[in-house]
Amino acid sequence: QVQLKESGPGLVQASETLSLTCTVSGFSLTTYHVSWVRQFPGKGLEWMGRIRSGGNTDYNSALKSRLSISRDTSKSQVLLKMNSLQTEDTAFYYCARVTTVALFDYWGQGVMVTVSS
Amino acid sequence: EIVLTQSPTTMAASPGEKVTITCRASSSVSYMDWFQQKSGTSPKPWIYDTSKLVSGVPDRFSGSGSGTSYSLTISSMEAEDAATHYCLQRSSYPLTFGSGTKLEIK
Repeated sequence: QVQLKESGPGLVQASETLSLTCTVSGFSLTTYHVSWVRQFPGKGLEWMGRIRSGGNTDYNSALKSRLSISRDTSKSQVLLKMNSLQTEDTAFYYCARVTTVALFDYWGQGVMVTVSS
Repeated sequence: EIVLTQSPTTMAASPGEKVTITCRASSSVSYMDWFQQKSGTSPKPWIYDTSKLVSGVPDRFSGSGSGTSYSLTISSMEAEDAATHYCLQRSSYPLTFGSGTKLEIK
């Protein structure tokens, strides 16, 4: 059974670094890509970046200077780190499995992150 | 960055009514995917590669389009179709989503 679950702090102070973990089960990180997507309070969705099955990463250019995605295959975890947080980064953060034909086929339940000033 | 503009932003349809949601891209894209999201849940993949239904999606849904104009159509609206639908282009980085169409049942 394919599952993804995001975890991390619900509240972060402005200017600090956000660290989120996506723990997956039911598939291998060396077979599928994993993307991070966030959803703002107004409901808009933003693709943040992904780590490919081979370990390479792709980032949204708007976030590239602040964002890092990595993985620990032994723990089946994908890690997101984003620095210099601002209140505009308040959002629901999702990780999603991406198939070889680029379908976002399974999503985690998401984690709400609030950035406090 | 390719901007996707969805229309309408919000609409209400009666049971049995035909519904069409449009997604227009600022530049030509090769494919369009669609997601359905209900309140308090994650987006669900609904249509991919413009017209392929994800397994389990009712066949009253269909997708079509090319270039800069794509659409999702429901042939006969049902209460369970009330949700927000988003389009996604993955032809060009960064991947971008439309702003969503909230569909309500009358």
